[in-house]
Amino acid sequence: ETGVTQTPRHLVMGMTNKKSLKCEQHLGHNAMYWYKQSAKKPLELMFVYSLEERVENNSVPSRFSPECPNSSHLFLHLHTLQPEDSALYLCASSQDERVREKLFFGSGTQLSVL
Amino acid sequence: QKEVEQDPGPLSVPEGAIVSLNCTYSNSAFQYFMWYRQYSRKGPELLMYTYSSGNKEDGRFTAQVDKSSKYISLFIRDSQPSDSATYLCAMSYGSGGSNYKLTFGKGTLLTVNP
Repeated sequence: ETGVTQTPRHLVMGMTNKKSLKCEQHLGHNAMYWYKQSAKKPLELMFVYSLEERVENNSVPSRFSPECPNSSHLFLHLHTLQPEDSALYLCASSQDERVREKLFFGSGTQLSVL
Repeated sequence: QKEVEQDPGPLSVPEGAIVSLNCTYSNSAFQYFMWYRQYSRKGPELLMYTYSSGNKEDGRFTAQVDKSSKYISLFIRDSQPSDSATYLCAMSYGSGGSNYKLTFGKGTLLTVNP
């Protein structure tokens, strides 16, 4: 495995479900990110982790809960989502959170909330 | 005025054409300018990275930055069907943490027809 891998690729969930998105990076990077990509909108930064410590939370609703157990793994726990949360969720990594110009993205999880 | 403006297209060109993709921005603090390419059902991948003004060439791709006009461009020479993708501009400034800002454009969908 190389690069940044995300699972699952697709997820359909009801508004009352609880699910988790998983991300793993094999690049030896120190920083990991969650981004949301909605149609016809710019990428929205959700969370930033540096060496397992959350350094940024961009006013994301509490129904999204990130977890970073180590510098290679990142999770996004989802509960009681809304239909407007349907989007492509992208995980990314970079060498350091101070050098975000060169981000490496995973292929994303396409989330549909019914 | 939005911080970063990018025409979403779609842009359709014949194979072999020269393609010009553009973004404008309003924040003069931006120092780093990037172009990401995103194929369908994939995450973005960094294509070009430029610091401050000037040109940068990599094979068939040339990135231009004009800070005085707050305008960046990506040129693709001899375009190929494999160049068909969404192209995202991005720009940043800062040194990490809450002082850092990385902003993406909405992306331009390009189709190169054989």
